Amino acid sequence: EDQVTQSPEALRLQEGESSSLNCSYTVSGLRGLFWYRQDPGKGPEFLFTLYSAGEEKEKERLKATLTKKESFLHITAPKPEDSATYLCAVQAWEYGNKLVFGAGTILRVKS
Amino acid sequence: DAGVTQSPTHLIKTRGQHVTLRCSPISGHKSVSWYQQVLGQGPQFIFQYYEKEERGRGNFPDRFSARQFPNYSSELNVNALLLGDSALYLCASSLGQQTTNEKLFFGSGTQLSVL
Repeated sequence: EDQVTQSPEALRLQEGESSSLNCSYTVSGLRGLFWYRQDPGKGPEFLFTLYSAGEEKEKERLKATLTKKESFLHITAPKPEDSATYLCAVQAWEYGNKLVFGAGTILRVKS
Repeated sequence: DAGVTQSPTHLIKTRGQHVTLRCSPISGHKSVSWYQQVLGQGPQFIFQYYEKEERGRGNFPDRFSARQFPNYSSELNVNALLLGDSALYLCASSLGQQTTNEKLFFGSGTQLSVL
């Protein structure tokens, strides 16, 4: 059973068309939920860490929220340069120190 | 400041061969982790080292091994390569052991192709 599931697998948006990416998790002892951005041929780039339900964090056009079972990455008025794969990962007491990643959402923003 | 550096960037090997991948963490970082990312999937944890000791191991066969040197750089070794080992191998560093939810800084990875 997948512990971290991201949806949709791929998302195409027009420039300026806001949307949300979902990350659901089934771990019981969440220590932190991480969002990363990954460009083709590059390593993941850190965006946010969320620790408890109700927490929100923002960075430019991105806003991450967390509930007890899922996290959302809201993208407001996206631009073509926001095109990337967005990865969600959880750190949990039952996993030790490692991060468990979802498969990612591939975002394409067209001008 | 330099980020996490990995070498080589690309590598082509044949089945049965051995490979060594190298990683230099961000200056001052003492923890290095290795992840494998197969095309279309998220990274999967292989190893974590902190202060030259193994602190975590993922669900990978014994063909995979790693070590960390006194300068905190690290090597990942894979023996008896299989076609399924073809992947992007990512190294990540952090200041401490990640017990306090420290964020990981990733390198650009080594793309390994096994023919």
